[in-house]
Amino acid sequence: QKEVEQDPGPLSVPEGAIVSLNCTYSNSAFQYFMWYRQYSRKGPELLMYTYSSGNKEDGRFTAQVDKSSKYISLFIRDSQPSDSATYLCAMNRKTSYDKVIFGPGTSLSVIP
Amino acid sequence: EAQVTQNPRYLITVTGKKLTVTCSQNMNHEYMSWYRQDPGLGLRQIYYSMNVEVTDKGDVPEGYKVSRKEKRNFPLILESPSPNQTSLYFCASRDSYDTGELFFGEGSRLTVL
Repeated sequence: QKEVEQDPGPLSVPEGAIVSLNCTYSNSAFQYFMWYRQYSRKGPELLMYTYSSGNKEDGRFTAQVDKSSKYISLFIRDSQPSDSATYLCAMNRKTSYDKVIFGPGTSLSVIP
Repeated sequence: EAQVTQNPRYLITVTGKKLTVTCSQNMNHEYMSWYRQDPGLGLRQIYYSMNVEVTDKGDVPEGYKVSRKEKRNFPLILESPSPNQTSLYFCASRDSYDTGELFFGEGSRLTVL
């Protein structure tokens, strides 16, 4: 079993839709949770960063962490064509020097 | 502008011909890392460095070498490339060794024939 699992998609939605992207993980030691966005032919860039369980909102984006279920989500409200990208979840352990583990990514297309 | 710069962006080479992919960051970050990205497998760490002259293996280090002689530079060396090293490579850096945002370069697409 992979440490971090993510539905690869592709996911195609109409403009204005609410998008839900999800990851599950197996290691209960993970405490830092991130979402990166990667446009085609570009490097990933950090979108959201959360510590432990709970919700965090930033504009149209909401990150949700449920440590009891080992499940994290990213919600995009009022999706725009510019949101079309691959979304990577990532996580690491508080006590580890690094070891950021990435999910394989979900490809999202927002159709005008 | 804060950035991580990789070169070359695209490279086609042949089996066994040594090559180096350079990486430079201008943010004075202590931590730097190399990843490869393959379809269905996501980003996998090759090597990382917590500071000058301090490097260690990641998850997939076989066939790669690195060095960290200066804080800003972290080159990735393929001494004898093989076709299974055909991939998209990313260099990343961050300020802290244990937490915080990873800043990625734009990627280097390598094809080994």
